Amino acid sequence: EVRLVESGGTLVKPGGSLRLSCAASGFTFSAYTINWVRQAPGRGLEWVSSISISSSYIYYADSVKGRFTLSRDDAKNSLYLRMNSLRAEDTAVYYCARGGLGRLDIWGQGTMVTVSS
Amino acid sequence: EIVLTQSPGTLSLSPGERATLSCRASQSVSSSYLAWYQQKPGQAPRLLIYGASSRATGIPDRFSGSGSGTDFTLTISRLEPEDFAVYYCQHYGRSRWTFGQGTKVEIK
Repeated sequence: EVRLVESGGTLVKPGGSLRLSCAASGFTFSAYTINWVRQAPGRGLEWVSSISISSSYIYYADSVKGRFTLSRDDAKNSLYLRMNSLRAEDTAVYYCARGGLGRLDIWGQGTMVTVSS
Repeated sequence: EIVLTQSPGTLSLSPGERATLSCRASQSVSSSYLAWYQQKPGQAPRLLIYGASSRATGIPDRFSGSGSGTDFTLTISRLEPEDFAVYYCQHYGRSRWTFGQGTKVEIK
């Protein structure tokens, strides 16, 4: 079964840091671009970051650029999102999603990040 | 930066009725990179349509997509009870993914 499983979400104070993980199974992880998409409570979907095959290209939304760092470990079939200088507006469910040819075809179940004092 | 505007915000319909959802781009976009997703409460989004009109694996044929340029449409020919959800359009371009704000299809 093709699957993505996120972990690492929790309650963190403003200004704090957190690392999210996304574990892949059931497909050749190294052959795909993987993305993070977030959804604030009661809101729509917002793309956060993408990492291409071999980590050749990494892109960030303006809202997180300079604060978030995306990386991948193809040997472990895993993706990591390091989040620094967290703000209240970063509160959201964070989804990892497999991307290719302009579509996100596989999504994880999401992990909740709450930034609050 | 491309902005996707979906309308209406909410669509109130009965099971068996036809649903027509609109997605308008702020500038012309490639149909190849226009997709639609369905999201139910507490669940992750699910890919429905890609390339503006191709159904994803396992998606029933009551779902169809059309359009080009700046205007795209998702049609659900006959609403089933499980189709009441929020629908998002999405565009990929210049290494960025953009989503519309969503249309909620609710039971009338």
